[in-house]
Amino acid sequence: GDSVTQMEGPVTLSEEAFLTINCTYTATGYPSLFWYVQYPGEGLQLLLKATKADDKGSNKGFEATYRKETTSFHLEKGSVQVSDSAVYFCALSLTSGTYKYIFGTGTRLKVLA
Amino acid sequence: DAGITQSPRYKITETGRQVTLMCHQTWSHSYMFWYRQDLGHGLRLIYYSAAADITDKGEVPDGYVVSRSKTENFPLTLESATRSQTSVYFCASKLDDALGYGYTFGSGTRLTVV
Repeated sequence: GDSVTQMEGPVTLSEEAFLTINCTYTATGYPSLFWYVQYPGEGLQLLLKATKADDKGSNKGFEATYRKETTSFHLEKGSVQVSDSAVYFCALSLTSGTYKYIFGTGTRLKVLA
Repeated sequence: DAGITQSPRYKITETGRQVTLMCHQTWSHSYMFWYRQDLGHGLRLIYYSAAADITDKGEVPDGYVVSRSKTENFPLTLESATRSQTSVYFCASKLDDALGYGYTFGSGTRLTVV
C-alpha cells in the first residue's frame, strides 16, 4: 500500500552543520509531497511542498526535491540553528480524488550550540 | 486572529467516561480532520469531514464519534474512554481537495485516561 518512510531519529547536530533527513515514499499515481515541522508543545506547521516530479520546495533555508526516479523527498539545510530543533514529518497527499495524507513517523532533530 | 482552536489543551479523564474534544476553525475550510499522535506511530487519521454533515472514518475510528453540524466546528467524542486512547489529538483543516494544499493544524489536546 501507500506509505512514507523516514529515517529514524533522533538526529543530533552541532550548530551550523549540514542537515539531511531522508524520506522515501510508495504511492500509486503522482502524489504531492510535504514536509511539516512540529516545535515542542505545538501542532504541525507546513514547512515546504512539491507537487510534481523535479519540483523543489524551499522555505526558511530548508529545501527538498521531488525525485520520482528514486521516490524520495529528502529534507536538507545547509546550516542548522538551535531554533531548528523540532520533529520533522514527511507526508504525501494521494491522487485519485482523495484528500487524505499519509505521514511518516517523524524525525526528531536536536541542534546543539 | 483567525486559525484553528482546539480545546481543552490538556484533559485528564477516568476510564469509562465520555469526553469531547473541540475544534473550531475560522477560515470556512471545507475539509477537517482528527489525528492522534503516538510515539512510534506518528500521526494516524481518526475521522475526517468533507463538508458540514459529511463525515467518514479514517484509519483508527473505533471508540470515537464525530459530528459536523456547522462548517467551522468538528468535535471529537470518546464515548467511553479507555487507557489506550491516551494520546495527543490534533485537529486540522484544508481548503479543498486540490493536491497542492497543505493542512493547517491546531495546537493539539493532550488527553490522559486514568
